[in-house]
Amino acid sequence: EVQLLESGGGLVQPGGSLRLSCAASGFTFSTFAMTWVRQAPGKGLEWVSAISGSSDSTSYADSVKGRFTISRDNSKNTLYLRMNSLRAEDTAVYYCAKDWACDNWGQGTLVTVSS
Amino acid sequence: QSVVTQPPSASGTPGQRVTISCSGSSSNIGSNTVNWYQQLPGTAPKLLIYSNNQRPSGVPDRFSGSKSGTSASLAISGLQSEDEADYYCAVWDDSLNGGVFGTGTKVTVL
Repeated sequence: EVQLLESGGGLVQPGGSLRLSCAASGFTFSTFAMTWVRQAPGKGLEWVSAISGSSDSTSYADSVKGRFTISRDNSKNTLYLRMNSLRAEDTAVYYCAKDWACDNWGQGTLVTVSS
Repeated sequence: QSVVTQPPSASGTPGQRVTISCSGSSSNIGSNTVNWYQQLPGTAPKLLIYSNNQRPSGVPDRFSGSKSGTSASLAISGLQSEDEADYYCAVWDDSLNGGVFGTGTKVTVL
């Protein structure tokens, strides 16, 4: 059974940084792309970033480009999202999902950017 | 604002058929496959349809997807109370070089 467990969310001041993690199990992690998706309170889903299985390809939404960095450690079956220069509008539940098609999702971790 | 649009709401009575549209452009729906997700209240999204019209195992055949040109549709036949949820389409956009979710549609069972 595929399991994805996000962690690292919390309260951070504007301009601050945070690193999210997503621990994966139940599939061969290194052979699948991984995706981050976020959902602001009461709003719709927003695609954030994705990375190929071998880390040779990454993509970002324009809204986070230059501030967020996606990475992965295949030896630890873990996906990361480094978030810098955080803004109030980055407040959201952040989900990690398996593959480009997001065929399995974690339960999400809440990031609140506020002073 | 998303480049892929959906109607904000749709509704039907139990047993009815409900259709949700997803409108995009040549750089997204017109050139890539569409996925659909169901998000029940307070839960994470779940993949409902992939590659325009394929159902993952466990998804009832009441759910079906289609695509034509720069638009896609999700149909729910035999609507049930447990289908009350938010539904999102998603597609890769070649111009943005990234994924895009539709604006989302809230389905209400009357």
